[in-house]
Amino acid sequence: SQELEQSPQSLIVQEGKNLTINCTSSKTLYGLYWYKQKYGEGLIFLMMLQKGGEEKSHEKITAKLDEKKQQSSLHITASQPSHAGIYLCGAYPLSSGSARQLTFGSGTQLTVLP
Amino acid sequence: DTGVSQDPRHKITKRGQNVTFRCDPISEHNRLYWYRQTLGQGPEFLTYFQNEAQLEKSRLLSDRFSAERPKGSFSTLEIQRTEQGDSAMYLCASSMAGQGAGEQYFGPGTRLTVT
Repeated sequence: SQELEQSPQSLIVQEGKNLTINCTSSKTLYGLYWYKQKYGEGLIFLMMLQKGGEEKSHEKITAKLDEKKQQSSLHITASQPSHAGIYLCGAYPLSSGSARQLTFGSGTQLTVLP
Repeated sequence: DTGVSQDPRHKITKRGQNVTFRCDPISEHNRLYWYRQTLGQGPEFLTYFQNEAQLEKSRLLSDRFSAERPKGSFSTLEIQRTEQGDSAMYLCASSMAGQGAGEQYFGPGTRLTVT
């Protein structure tokens, strides 16, 4: 099975600071998806990366997928309290067994202090 | 369309009781997924429907769990003879076949507490 490891598990930053969250796979990723979850709520889709070296940005959040397609990073610039939540990376198994069930990392809990 | 909805949002039940959850996907989405999430963990896949057909089931889905999507629209997830280990957030997601794989849209979840 494919495992996704996220680091750090939790992060506390002062408002205005930059931060990076990492997601590492033991296998080459078919695609990498970033979601944000507010505590006790559902997941909000942020970005999808498929090509090695790909980088996408949305507002102050930038996600990158390395050339080997085994590691992704999520970078937030000038963090705000609205960025607080749990960030989850997800991926589909590379094997052809299933292209529909997402496997998730355990998440990174982000707290932004005003 | 307001997105994926789930009902109820919270359910407290006693061990041994049966519970049923409902998910209404985004109306034009033909794929529907159920996930389970425990505290401090990411969601774990349970099952997947394309239209009314249940195409995949995780090993996590024991015989006490059953899911249906009778008309290819809303879905129900039933847990029989609940156990304390069933306490979790149950998330439903939907997507459109052919859409960029992974763009699953999630509902707010149903939090189950088994006492």
